[in-house]
Amino acid sequence: QQPVQSPQAVILREGEDAVINCSSSKALYSVHWYRQKHGEAPVFLMILLKGGEQKGHEKISASFNEKKQQSSLYLTASQLSYSGTYFCGTEPGGTSYGKLTFGQGTILTVHP
Amino acid sequence: DGGITQSPKYLFRKEGQNVTLSCEQNLNHDAMYWYRQDPGQGLRLIYYSQIVNDFQKGDIAEGYSVSREKKESFPLTVTSAQKNPTAFYLCASNGYRGNSNQPQHFGDGTRLSIL
Repeated sequence: QQPVQSPQAVILREGEDAVINCSSSKALYSVHWYRQKHGEAPVFLMILLKGGEQKGHEKISASFNEKKQQSSLYLTASQLSYSGTYFCGTEPGGTSYGKLTFGQGTILTVHP
Repeated sequence: DGGITQSPKYLFRKEGQNVTLSCEQNLNHDAMYWYRQDPGQGLRLIYYSQIVNDFQKGDIAEGYSVSREKKESFPLTVTSAQKNPTAFYLCASNGYRGNSNQPQHFGDGTRLSIL
């Protein structure tokens, strides 16, 4: 079953912060986050594994609450280059097959 | 540099025709995946393969077929049974047996349209 992302779209000014959420109805083993620019391939941002780990990449970080089956992506002091569609990909249960189910995406637009 | 190459970039299909999308990787990855993306929607899994000569159906396999004769290659055939093939098709791969500790690397995609 497809995870649900919220919000569906976000509009920011440069320097503002944003949070994108990803919720699943199934117990999760891992959550992947990707960003896709229009007409291009998705680009990997980070992986969160079961264990409530929070990871960071420059001004982008994420958390994973396995009890709530939720992950959140935090974008701090947004830049124009952050614009794009953000997808979470989830893997349920305790498998390690790498088979992901992706959310419908969150469109992030950053204005000067 | 290692990566995933998809070809062609654009493809047009006539009614009743089968077409094949190419996906080649030189990352030495075991697992490969095919996704379909429709406007404003997420990625939906068509087929995936964790090892040569083995593959499994994803969520929307009807009207598609694949083969995995070589580790580097995972072509996707869109058959005439797929009545609504217009979409953006993405191929991806990741490391050992599709281990979820490793990210998926994507190709640049093939945009398929009906003539």
